[in-house]
Amino acid sequence: DVKVTQSSRYLVKRTGEKVFLECVQDMDHENMFWYRQDPGLGLRLIYFSYDVKMKEKGDIPEGYSVSREKKERFSLILESASTNQTSMYLCASSLGLGQAHNQPQHFGDGTRLSIL
Amino acid sequence: GQNIDQPTEMTATEGAIVQINCTYQTSGFNGLFWYQQHAGEAPTFLSYNVLDGLEEKGRFSSFLSRSKGYSYLLLKELQMKDSASYLCAPRKGAGSYQLTFGKGTKLSVIP
Repeated sequence: DVKVTQSSRYLVKRTGEKVFLECVQDMDHENMFWYRQDPGLGLRLIYFSYDVKMKEKGDIPEGYSVSREKKERFSLILESASTNQTSMYLCASSLGLGQAHNQPQHFGDGTRLSIL
Repeated sequence: GQNIDQPTEMTATEGAIVQINCTYQTSGFNGLFWYQQHAGEAPTFLSYNVLDGLEEKGRFSSFLSRSKGYSYLLLKELQMKDSASYLCAPRKGAGSYQLTFGKGTKLSVIP
């Protein structure tokens, strides 16, 4: 079974802090993704990575950056946290498209982040 | 861009059948996923369609019509544990890794 592990289930930070959210997957997946999920807005893609050190912007990258130094780990960074970044953050991983067309994204349990 | 439309909420009775519709617009179709998400939990994969027609998986089936930009998820013999949100997610386009998620349909199963 695929296991995607997010470092924290709940996190409370202050405005202006630099915040790191960590995600690790154990299935040697090429692709990793960071989403945020807000009521009425659904899941929105922040950034994704298709290989080590590679990253692409999703639909809402502003205020965020990412790091992928190792294949199994994908970090989301809030450079200077703001209250509008209070949300549920979900990490996901999947096989590369060329390998398995029908393989889904597998999600971690999420980190509920509150910025005060 | 992508436009995904699914009903916000639905209610159905235990033991019944319910159909959750999804319409989408994509620039180059490359497969569509359905996910289930219980409140406070991660989305979990239910089904995948890339060709027209019905894919059956136990109590759950999913249908796709590419020419109409339309899919539905069919849940049979509803159980209380099926109360959840159901997310429609087409791939962003040919050769894309990305999914675009609909806002989800919150299904409530009542006794």
